[in-house]
Amino acid sequence: QVRLVESGGGVVQPGRSLRLSCEASGVTFSNYAMHWVRQAPGKGLEWVAAISYDGSNEYYVDSVKGRLTISRHSSKNTLYLQMNSLRPEDTAVYFCATGGTGSGGHRGGFAYWGQGTLLTVSS
Amino acid sequence: QSALIQPPSASGTPGQRVSISCSGSSSIIGRHTTNWYQQLPGTAPRLLIYSNIQRPLGVPDRFSGSKSGTSASLAISGLQSEDEADYFCATWDDSLNNYVFGSGTRVIVL
Repeated sequence: QVRLVESGGGVVQPGRSLRLSCEASGVTFSNYAMHWVRQAPGKGLEWVAAISYDGSNEYYVDSVKGRLTISRHSSKNTLYLQMNSLRPEDTAVYFCATGGTGSGGHRGGFAYWGQGTLLTVSS
Repeated sequence: QSALIQPPSASGTPGQRVSISCSGSSSIIGRHTTNWYQQLPGTAPRLLIYSNIQRPLGVPDRFSGSKSGTSASLAISGLQSEDEADYFCATWDDSLNNYVFGSGTRVIVL
């Protein structure tokens, strides 16, 4: 079965950096666009970033542009989110999710989700 | 504030039908298909409806989606206690090159 496992969350001070990882299994990782979605405590879902199936295109919500970078390593079946200049408002559970396949896959529904990893940005 | 507007809550008794709306602009809902996600308390979201009306394998046919113009809707017929959850609509926004989630609707089973 498909499994996505996020890791790398924790408590970090404002201004510091952190990298989240999402390891995929049970799915042909290189066929799928991938996404990061976050959920602040008690709030709704916020899409953060997406990367195309082949890594050639990246998409970001405005609030993270220039600070967060999505990437993927297909031979490791792993998705990453490099987070720099962290702010308290980045505090959230971060989920990775699969998008669709092919060139327009980043626009599709998210069929599979990880369980999430909690990031707390606080001094 | 999300570009996709949902009512904050909806409720019904077991067996009733509940409908949730998702309103957006023509540049959002009007251009791409809408997906719906269910999030049970303390769990990750799961895809409930994709491409406006399609159900993934394993989703009961009590859940149905529809779309008309710049609005989409999710209906739950034969409401059950385990349907108590948060529901989010979502779609791609070409103008922002962003995926956008709705504000979310909490369904309460009375």
